Amino acid sequence: ETGVTQTPRHLVMGMTNKKSLKCEQHLGHNAMYWYKQSAKKPLELMFVYNFKEQTENNSVPSRFSPECPNSSHLFLHLHTLQPEDSALYLCASSQVQGGSEAFFGQGTRLTVV
Amino acid sequence: AQTVTQSQPEMSVQEAETVTLSCTYDTSESDYYLFWYKQPPSRQMILVIRQEAYKQQNATENRFSVNFQKAAKSFSLKISDSQLGDAAMYFCAYRSGGADGLTFGKGTHLIIQP
Repeated sequence: ETGVTQTPRHLVMGMTNKKSLKCEQHLGHNAMYWYKQSAKKPLELMFVYNFKEQTENNSVPSRFSPECPNSSHLFLHLHTLQPEDSALYLCASSQVQGGSEAFFGQGTRLTVV
Repeated sequence: AQTVTQSQPEMSVQEAETVTLSCTYDTSESDYYLFWYKQPPSRQMILVIRQEAYKQQNATENRFSVNFQKAAKSFSLKISDSQLGDAAMYFCAYRSGGADGLTFGKGTHLIIQP
């Protein structure tokens, strides 16, 4: 079992659906992140949670809604997505300190139809 | 805002040879960290090596080493004795000394020729 687990691994959803991505870390970290990885583009930081508090939201559309109920779990709630939202969504965790290594999950491959 | 640039979309190297992947970054901060991550086809991002900006000595991890040129804002990765398992996407990343996430470059696809 890896330190950061994401479910589901693959998701196909219609534009009117509501779904959620789940991330769980077993590393005792106090910071968690959502990244979006699209083809031909750098990984984009979406949200940052430090000690369960959201500290960064990089102009992400409101159709993406994060939730961090505790320091071990992170969710990304999805609703009324667009086809251009199809991408690999990666969750990561680390200690808050800047030099600490970020550990990544294997991602959820999302396809919006 | 910080930016990270990887100018080599793809690199190819013979097995057992040495290859260098380039990365430049732009920042006005003095306290930051630089990373190289590897992403194989399994999609799992794995840390290869880390460099603290305040350290002049280049980081080394077994066959992986960096050439950190702070004034030039350059952070290249050298892979010695390349192995087939090194084939992957390699991402250069920047993190502020504060509690922010990582800023990534576009990545370099490394191909290992047997």
